[in-house]
Amino acid sequence: GQNIDQPTEMTATEGAIVQINCTYQTSGFNGLFWYQQHAGEAPTFLSYNVLDGLEEKGRFSSFLSRSKGYSYLLLKELQMKDSASYLCAVRDLNTGGFKTIFGAGTRLFVKA
Amino acid sequence: KAGVTQTPRYLIKTRGQQVTLSCSPISGHRSVSWYQQTPGQGLQFLFEYFSETQRNKGNFPGRFSGRQFSNSRSEMNVSTLELGDSALYLCASSLDSGGSTRNEQFFGPGTRLTVL
Repeated sequence: GQNIDQPTEMTATEGAIVQINCTYQTSGFNGLFWYQQHAGEAPTFLSYNVLDGLEEKGRFSSFLSRSKGYSYLLLKELQMKDSASYLCAVRDLNTGGFKTIFGAGTRLFVKA
Repeated sequence: KAGVTQTPRYLIKTRGQQVTLSCSPISGHRSVSWYQQTPGQGLQFLFEYFSETQRNKGNFPGRFSGRQFSNSRSEMNVSTLELGDSALYLCASSLDSGGSTRNEQFFGPGTRLTVL
């Protein structure tokens, strides 16, 4: 089956760096996504990894190790507006086609 | 380009009733997925439609159903509502050009369903 684990909550200080980890188990891995969701809003796309390594995009970076079933999202120079839930999602390819499975999300609190 | 739209935004129903939710994807997007989001469970995959066909289905009872029209608009229906169906229902569309291309999902604002 499919399973995605990420911490429930994290707290960090404005200006600091935070790393949100995600581990997954899937039979037909076809890419890993990170989404950001502010309270009361829809999730929005942050990053995508399908090959091993680091993808950098401004203050956000995402890393993937397919052999370890592991990814992390790195947020640098934290700002108060980064307080949100961060969802790790894996796209799985099975007999029915592609299916994206989401983790429960990590709520990040950024304090002054 | 307009984003994903969902109607209605809020809905209050009573147990035993049925409900139909609507989703209009981004123009040109062929894949539409539906998710249920609750505080304790996160986003749970309901089903995905592509070219009017259900391609994938999550682990929800048969009371949950959906369909997609030729213009890619999609509806989901929940019959015989239960208290536990209270949740935010999110629709997401993607281009789905196949293979390992990114094909990220774009989410609508959701429909907040409350079952009394």
